[in-house]
Amino acid sequence: AQSVTQPDIHITVSEGASLELRCNYSYGATPYLFWYVQSPGQGLQLLLKYFSGDTLVQGIKGFEAEFKRSQSSFNLRKPSVHWSDAAEYFCAVGAKGTYKYIFGTGTRLKVLA
Amino acid sequence: EAGVTQSPTHLIKTRGQQATLRCSPISGHTSVYWYQQALGLGLQFLLWYDEGEERNRGNFPPRFSGRQFPNYSSELNVNALELEDSALYLCASSYGRPGEVQYFGAGTRLSVL
Repeated sequence: AQSVTQPDIHITVSEGASLELRCNYSYGATPYLFWYVQSPGQGLQLLLKYFSGDTLVQGIKGFEAEFKRSQSSFNLRKPSVHWSDAAEYFCAVGAKGTYKYIFGTGTRLKVLA
Repeated sequence: EAGVTQSPTHLIKTRGQQATLRCSPISGHTSVYWYQQALGLGLQFLLWYDEGEERNRGNFPPRFSGRQFPNYSSELNVNALELEDSALYLCASSYGRPGEVQYFGAGTRLSVL
């Protein structure tokens, strides 16, 4: 069965520090992979997606993610975090042919001034 | 261009009542998805509608139902409300093709007292 694991429930970083949020998935073939961000009281906003091709994907707000097939990972990175990045981040796997997304449980990011 | 819109923003019901949540997709999108985001449980896939038909259903009881109208808007109905139905209900829409990105609304917060 497909699954997504975000091992870090909470992460705290200082403003200006680098960030890496981990995402591991279980899927029989190459999935579609997504990162979404959810600010308090808001819906989910798409940060970036991977369908195929270049394994390093650039997204909005300065985020990037790298697909590593050998590690079944799709970690999200940002070189310098801003206070406005404080939010909850969700990794998702798109199951080909079913249109269904499977979400990780999310990582809540806190940014210290 | 308008995004995915959901109404109402908040809904308060008592146990045993029925709740109706509404979703208008992005213009041109034919698929609508419903997710439940309960505290501590992440996002759980509820239902997927495309071209007026229910295409897939998550692991939820039959009292969770819905429909999609000819204009592609959708309703989610929850009958015989239980306390544990309290959650944020998110609607997403996409083009009806494999791998298309899902765009989310801001959600309806359902509170069951």
